[in-house]
Amino acid sequence: DADVTQTPRNRITKTGKRIMLECSQTKGHDRMYWYRQDPGLGLRLIYYSFDVKDINKGEISDGYSVSRQAQAKFSLSLESAIPNQTALYFCATSDPGGGVPYNEQFFGPGTRLTVL
Amino acid sequence: GQQVMQIPQYQHVQEGEDFTTYCNSSTTLSNIQWYKQRPGGHPVFLIQLVKSGEVKKQKRLTFQFGEAKKNSSLHITATQTTDVGTYFCAGAGTALIFGKGTTLSVSS
Repeated sequence: DADVTQTPRNRITKTGKRIMLECSQTKGHDRMYWYRQDPGLGLRLIYYSFDVKDINKGEISDGYSVSRQAQAKFSLSLESAIPNQTALYFCATSDPGGGVPYNEQFFGPGTRLTVL
Repeated sequence: GQQVMQIPQYQHVQEGEDFTTYCNSSTTLSNIQWYKQRPGGHPVFLIQLVKSGEVKKQKRLTFQFGEAKKNSSLHITATQTTDVGTYFCAGAGTALIFGKGTTLSVSS
C-alpha cells in the first residue's frame, strides 16, 4: 500500500554500523509496529507504539531501538548491526477499536537489510 | 507465553485441487486474522474472525474459527495459480502473534 511507506527499500551495511529504517503512514492510524521476517520463522514483533507517547517492546527487541517522531512516523534503529540481523523488516499500522484488542494490520512494502 | 502454530509449512498442489492450512493457539484468542503474502510482496489482510465457531467465505476461500477460540483454518477450493503465496494466521490475545505461515505452490 502506498499508504505505508518504508525507506530504504534495500540496504547493505557492515557489522558494527548504526542503521535507521524509517516508516511513514498517511492512514491516520495511531498504532504502528515493526516486524522482522526470516525464512521459515514468520513475522516476529520487534517494537510497537499505540500512540506518540507510547513505546513497547515486542518479542525480539534486543539490539533494536525505536523512535515515534509523530503519529505518522516510526523509525527503527540498529545501534550496532550484526550479521544475524540480516532480514526483511516490515512496518505496519492499525486502528484501535472494533471491540477487539488488535485490528487489521496494514503493512508497508518492507526493507531488505543485509549485514555483512 | 502465547504461541501460535501453523501447519503445514509447505504445500504443493495441482491446479484445481483443494488446500487447507491450520492454525492452533496455546491460549484462547480474542480474534484471529489471516493474511496472504505473495512472493516478493508484503502481507495483505484477508479476514478477521471474532466469534466462537464463526465461518466466513470469500469466493473460493473459507475461514473457520474454532468453538474454543484456540484454532482456525483456511480452506481454498479448486486452487488457481493466483493463489500462490504464503498464508499467515495471526492470533490476538495479550499480543498479536503470527504463525510461521504455510507456503502454497500450485502447478498447472
